[in-house]
Amino acid sequence: DTEVTQTPKHLVMGMTNKKSLKCEQHMGHRAMYWYKQKAKKPPELMFVYSYEKLSINESVPSRFSPECPNSSLLNLHLHALQPEDSALYLCASSRSTQGIWTEAFFGQGTRLTVV
Amino acid sequence: AQKVTQAQTEISVVEKEDVTLDCVYETRDTTYYLFWYKQPPSGELVFLIRRNSFDEQNEISGRYSWNFQKSTSSFNFTITASQVVDSAVYFCALSEAATDSWGKLQFGAGTQVVVTP
Repeated sequence: DTEVTQTPKHLVMGMTNKKSLKCEQHMGHRAMYWYKQKAKKPPELMFVYSYEKLSINESVPSRFSPECPNSSLLNLHLHALQPEDSALYLCASSRSTQGIWTEAFFGQGTRLTVV
Repeated sequence: AQKVTQAQTEISVVEKEDVTLDCVYETRDTTYYLFWYKQPPSGELVFLIRRNSFDEQNEISGRYSWNFQKSTSSFNFTITASQVVDSAVYFCALSEAATDSWGKLQFGAGTQVVVTP
């Protein structure tokens, strides 16, 4: 089972709203990732969690707040977003962040629109 | 500096034609990993293959084949006898073994493949 599940699939939110994106995997992977993808562009790495600890933050604005409550779950809390934050948000997991275990499996993403 | 280059923005073919996607990478690490992902219109990135830098064997999986050449820093992908379901964006990606690169998957710009009946 190579499944990463993301909810919701679509989200429309106002600039003053607070919302959360959720991601779940049951593959026993210990690395989880958030990527942002704008239309016709490749995914851009936002955050990496390794063994439930934040290991990489790619200078993401503080209006995006990640959380990893346990080894299977990853959340992305959103607050006071801007219209330019509208994008596809992809969650991924891999066995590890190191070496041959870096092949990542992706969820279907959440299409976020900020109005 | 861009580490993965996919020079082809879009390739259009008629069904049953072969299509080759180019990927050129740049790294100073002696140990690294290369990947191909497929992204259909639904949005999910589907993992296709991983190739380790110390393994230059080419690989075939059904209609898919990959040609890894360290001498030219290329990892090209061929779809044989293309089908409409192959229509998608294909990304080549690089992961380096250096400690400060752990967890970082660097994607190329992607190549849109359009297969028409």
